[in-house]
Amino acid sequence: QSALTQPASVSGSPGQSITISCTGTSSDVGGYNYVSWYQQYPGKAPKLIIYDVYNRPSGVSNRFSGSKSGNTASLTISGLQAEDEADYYCDSYTSSRTWVFGGGTKLTVL
Amino acid sequence: EVQVEESGGGLVQPGGSLRLSCAASGFTFSSHWMHWVRQAPGKGLVWVSRINTDGTTTNYADSVEGRFTISRDNAKNTLYLQMNSLRAEDTAVYYCVRVRQGSAGLDYWGQGTLVTVSS
Repeated sequence: QSALTQPASVSGSPGQSITISCTGTSSDVGGYNYVSWYQQYPGKAPKLIIYDVYNRPSGVSNRFSGSKSGNTASLTISGLQAEDEADYYCDSYTSSRTWVFGGGTKLTVL
Repeated sequence: EVQVEESGGGLVQPGGSLRLSCAASGFTFSSHWMHWVRQAPGKGLVWVSRINTDGTTTNYADSVEGRFTISRDNAKNTLYLQMNSLRAEDTAVYYCVRVRQGSAGLDYWGQGTLVTVSS
C-alpha cells in the first residue's frame, strides 16, 4: 500500500492555471476510475472537490477539474485565486479493496 | 444537514486500547459505506479502514490489520473504531468519513478526534 506520488508543492499567480499530478500503478489509479481529490486548509477537515476522476460535487467551483491518463490522475485549477491556497490530496481505490492517498501537495498562490 | 462527529480520542499508553465513535445525522446512515482516515500531526492523510452498509464487509490498511476493528450500529447511527495494541505511530487525528452514494468519493468528513499514544 505505497502512497500515490504527488509533487510536494506547486505555485502559481492569480489568474493562472496549475496542474497537480497523482501517480500510482495499474493496481490503483490506472485500474479504476475511482480517483478523488480533496482540498484541506490548515487545521480543517478535508473537503471533496473531485470524485470518480472528473466529477465535481455540487457547490464546488468549475475552476476545478480532474482527468486521468494511464496511471496518472491530474487536478487542474484554472483562474487561480488566493483562496485556493491549501493542501491538496488525491486518493484511489486499489485492487486490494483498500484506499490509498497521495502524499499531498501544498499550493501556494504567489 | 449532514453531520458526522467523532469522539473518544485522548491520551493512551503504548500497548493500550481506545474506542472511537462517530455519530452521524442528517442522512440515512444505513445506506452509506463509511471510512476512517487519519492524519498524523503535520503529515498527510492516511486511509485506515472502511465498512459496508450493513457491517458485513470490512477492509483495513496493512498498518492496522489485526489491531483495529471497524464496526457500525445502524440503529444508533454510529460508526466505531476499536483500536488495540496502540503504538506511537498511531498518534493522529482520526476522521470519520461518509462515502458518496454510487461513487468512491469521501464526501462528508467530521472534524476529527486526536489520539495520542505516549508514555
